[in-house]
Amino acid sequence: AQTVTQSQPEMSVQEAETVTLSCTYDTSESDYYLFWYKQPPSRQMILVIRQEAYKQQNATENRFSVNFQKAAKSFSLKISDSQLGDAAMYFCAYRSARAGGTSYGKLTFGQGTILTVHP
Amino acid sequence: DTAVSQTPKYLVTQMGNDKSIKCEQNLGHDTMYWYKQDSKKFLKIMFSYNNKELIINETVPNRFSPKSPDKAHLNLHINSLELGDSAVYFCASRIEGGPTGELFFGEGSRLTVL
Repeated sequence: AQTVTQSQPEMSVQEAETVTLSCTYDTSESDYYLFWYKQPPSRQMILVIRQEAYKQQNATENRFSVNFQKAAKSFSLKISDSQLGDAAMYFCAYRSARAGGTSYGKLTFGQGTILTVHP
Repeated sequence: DTAVSQTPKYLVTQMGNDKSIKCEQNLGHDTMYWYKQDSKKFLKIMFSYNNKELIINETVPNRFSPKSPDKAHLNLHINSLELGDSAVYFCASRIEGGPTGELFFGEGSRLTVL
């Protein structure tokens, strides 16, 4: 079974600074998707960024970028120029790309990292 | 126009009662899910349906019964509610064969059992 681990329960950053959230995962599969979701106090789950495992290039979305290290099974999220609105809980998640099976389409989440942004 | 909508958003009830949470998605997706987020914010899948067919049923007590009348709806009925059922329940959907693979989540329904 796949597992996702976020080893940082809490992180903090000053406004306009850069912060990196860590995520590692365990899988025997070669084709999968990785995601970072953001959950602000409103509790809505918002997709921040996604990465397909077959792509070597790291995904970027404006101020958000990832460092995807497939061999090390590591998927960290870098937030540049942090803003007060970035304060939230961030979840790393894994989904197999394999069709069929009882775990088909299942998204496995890490424990989450609470990010605080100081003005 | 909400893509994945859940009702009710908040639900407070007594132990032993039966309650339902409804979910509807207007994205034309084939697959829908129920996730439970516990008090420690851990998210765990409960069920998944694809075109009204049950695909995933994690180790969930049989007091929980999902029902999918059509592929746009996935409702969650809970019998004989217990204190430990207090949580936020998220509905989500995904399109099969889509290029991105992500799930789209509803706003969550906070269930409090007294």
